[in-house]
Amino acid sequence: AQSVTQPDIHITVSEGASLELRCNYSYGATPYLFWYVQSPGQGLQLLLKYFSGDTLVQGIKGFEAEFKRSQSSFNLRKPSVHWSDAAEYFCAVGYQKVTFGTGTKLQVIP
Amino acid sequence: ETGVTQTPRHLVMGMTNKKSLKCEQHLGHNAMYWYKQSAKKPLELMFVYNFKEQTENNSVPSRFSPECPNSSHLFLHLHTLQPEDSALYLCASSQDRGGGTYGYTFGSGTRLTVV
Repeated sequence: AQSVTQPDIHITVSEGASLELRCNYSYGATPYLFWYVQSPGQGLQLLLKYFSGDTLVQGIKGFEAEFKRSQSSFNLRKPSVHWSDAAEYFCAVGYQKVTFGTGTKLQVIP
Repeated sequence: ETGVTQTPRHLVMGMTNKKSLKCEQHLGHNAMYWYKQSAKKPLELMFVYNFKEQTENNSVPSRFSPECPNSSHLFLHLHTLQPEDSALYLCASSQDRGGGTYGYTFGSGTRLTVV
């Protein structure tokens, strides 16, 4: 069965610092991988997705993610965090059926 | 209006009430979904509609009754709910069933409180 693990429930970073959010997945074939962001009181917004090809994927809002098959990981990164990035981030895997992780809440401090 | 629109944004209902949640998308997507989001739990897929036909029901209690009159509209009818049904209910749509090609577009959700 497919699954997603986001080991960090909550992360705090300083504004301007770099960010990496971890995601590990379990999937029987070549995975379709996604990162979504949810601001307070809002639905989820797709940040980026990976199906195949270049393992470094660029997304919206300056985010990128790297697919590492050997580690079953799809970590999300941003070189310099802005206060507006404070939100909850969800990793997801799947095609016909998409499984979401439990999310990582990002706090940005001045 | 573009995107996925959900109404109402907030709903408080008693356990004996009947209410409905509405979702509308103007993206030309063929599939629509209801998800339940509870604190500290992964998103729970409730129902899937593809070309307005229900293709998935993930063992959802019968007090939740979906309706999809066309590919653009999705409803969730609620009756005799329990306090544990309090959650954020998210509607989503995708170009194709499963959302694996282009991902989902989500609405802002309805925050439901059952008292």
